[in-house]
Amino acid sequence: DIQMTQSPSTLSASVGDRVTITCRASQNINSWLAWYQQKPGKAPNLLISKVSGLESGVPSRFSGSGSGTEFTLTISNLQPDDFASYYCQQYKSYPWTFGQGTKVE
Amino acid sequence: QLQLQQWGAGLLKPSETLSLTCAVYSGSFSDYYWSWIRQPPGKGLEWVGEINHVGSTYYNASLKSRLTISVDTSKSQFSLKLNSVTAADTAVYYCARTRVVRTFDSWGQGTLVTVSS
Repeated sequence: DIQMTQSPSTLSASVGDRVTITCRASQNINSWLAWYQQKPGKAPNLLISKVSGLESGVPSRFSGSGSGTEFTLTISNLQPDDFASYYCQQYKSYPWTFGQGTKVE
Repeated sequence: QLQLQQWGAGLLKPSETLSLTCAVYSGSFSDYYWSWIRQPPGKGLEWVGEINHVGSTYYNASLKSRLTISVDTSKSQFSLKLNSVTAADTAVYYCARTRVVRTFDSWGQGTLVTVSS
């Protein structure tokens, strides 16, 4: 299985900050990387697919980059609605796997 | 407006069978795969398995021996059965629409399944 490792596990930030979350894959996943946002008690919401492709309705302050084994999610100008947990997911090969999550608090 | 609505028993005893169903309202059922994903309390996400409209399945190997995912295309529903559950199967279970490229773009509301004697 492809292991996905996120860092940090928890990130303390303030409104207006620029925050960066890193996701590393245990092997090359090319650009088959997605990011999800999850708020407490809610299902995850797909933010970004194929490393940097923003889903419809996702604010442009979210951006993704990387390739191969190292990827980042950046939130510029953090807003109150962005305090949540974020997960990366690889879809290069079965089983589809997620990072352990990063909580932005 | 696409909606995934799921239901099933929320409290099970060890060795019982977990059974959940997800109904898809609106949108195409045949153009996507359909997945189950679970999340133990306070932990991360684990993909359980997927099915398409003709019943082709792929399961997470860690659960394969206990897992059955089935589909009823006439009702736009798919179901999960996990037998011989233990406390380790306690989690919120989500159903999710799965694109061909295998991202999950629409989710059910989640069902907390607790396994306890």
